[in-house]
Amino acid sequence: DGGITQSPKYLFRKEGQNVTLSCEQNLNHDAMYWYRQDPGQGLRLIYYSQIVNDFQKGDIAEGYSVSREKKESFPLTVTSAQKNPTAFYLCASSRTEVNTGELFFGEGSRLTVL
Amino acid sequence: QKEVEQDPGPLSVPEGAIVSLNCTYSNSAFQYFMWYRQYSRKGPELLMYTYSSGNKEDGRFTAQVDKSSKYISLFIRDSQPSDSATYLCAMSASDSWGKLQFGAGTQVVVTP
Repeated sequence: DGGITQSPKYLFRKEGQNVTLSCEQNLNHDAMYWYRQDPGQGLRLIYYSQIVNDFQKGDIAEGYSVSREKKESFPLTVTSAQKNPTAFYLCASSRTEVNTGELFFGEGSRLTVL
Repeated sequence: QKEVEQDPGPLSVPEGAIVSLNCTYSNSAFQYFMWYRQYSRKGPELLMYTYSSGNKEDGRFTAQVDKSSKYISLFIRDSQPSDSATYLCAMSASDSWGKLQFGAGTQVVVTP
């Protein structure tokens, strides 16, 4: 089955530690995205990538970093510079040929900073 | 002020009732309008997609877009307990391909 796989599902981190969230897709989509979801705030775009080896900052990129070395993979690193990292992180992908607005989401990774 | 405003709810309705959800927005450049459904602890999934103004119907779901009022709606007829979820509106402009602006989401509870 085609889809997006995020891991880990739950993650606990001590303050000052970097953590990397994995996102893999087998939908053959060119574009991939990372969103953050907080209660009452909806989804906010962290980073997005339209093609391999290229990515752009979204609305809340500070304290995060990404890489796009393979079409299938778009890992997100939450660095110690992120002031409030506890959140639900969602990875998504989409086709680039048509702007239908359809993003395919993974099941999310919940990060808790202790 | 947020670009997209959506009442977070919760909205509780009895089974069989019509669920009415809406969002308002401020950016007149938005042309693509979507509704996503998100079950607890899951990723959102696309429910309805509309380009520009007008209505779109898909089974029990109807999406309406009124660009003159900057207002979009989603109606769910004959609601079922399985419709209990958070519904997120999302929208984008033609020149901001793929970058959606989401509402905060409305939690809907359909009681048997």
